[in-house]
Amino acid sequence: EAGVVQSPRYKIIEKKQPVAFWCNPISGHNTLYWYLQNLGQGPELLIRYENEEAVDDSQLPKDRFSAERLKGVDSTLKIQPAELGDSAVYLCASRSASSPGELFFGEGSRLTVL
Amino acid sequence: EDKVVQSPLSLVVHEGDTVTLNCSYEVTNFRSLLWYKQEKKAPTFLFMLTSSGIEKKSGRLSSILDKKELFSILNITATQTGDSAVYLCAVKGTYKYIFGTGTRLKVLA
Repeated sequence: EAGVVQSPRYKIIEKKQPVAFWCNPISGHNTLYWYLQNLGQGPELLIRYENEEAVDDSQLPKDRFSAERLKGVDSTLKIQPAELGDSAVYLCASRSASSPGELFFGEGSRLTVL
Repeated sequence: EDKVVQSPLSLVVHEGDTVTLNCSYEVTNFRSLLWYKQEKKAPTFLFMLTSSGIEKKSGRLSSILDKKELFSILNITATQTGDSAVYLCAVKGTYKYIFGTGTRLKVLA
């Protein structure tokens, strides 16, 4: 069974440029999370989806960040325009409703904003 | 405010040593506590704990939860260089997972 797939693994952009990250969760996992992880910190939730519905986006900076999960499967996280402080690892995770505990993580997308 | 605090923040030991990592929490509507190992890639699942006093074991790793005192420990015996990583503790509330900052473990040969 394939794990959570994220792309790109690495992205370097200049400030004020847009960037997008893609995540394909494990097949059948209806809950999808986007986390931000700064160096030396634990993951912090940006947004949680139940199927195609964003049920918790309270921590998403909506002036520059947006996310979608149109068909309730894969998801895209976008930043426009990027700022220097957005440099971090963006982790995607998924969970099955039938296995309510464990989160499965992708390898993350490391963003560097110059 | 929900929070998860891990200690120590970092630890350097020699191969063969035993280490104990700590995780304390204050999380509304506690459901479970999870431990993850993070090397330079995705966090990988180690344990999920839901009941107090029941030890979970996997090889040289073990973990236990105390729901009265609101903490968990992760023990690693006979450490190896391959155990070098960041160990993350996460607590699941009703819907959210709250992560600690992690403990960075370095095992020297």
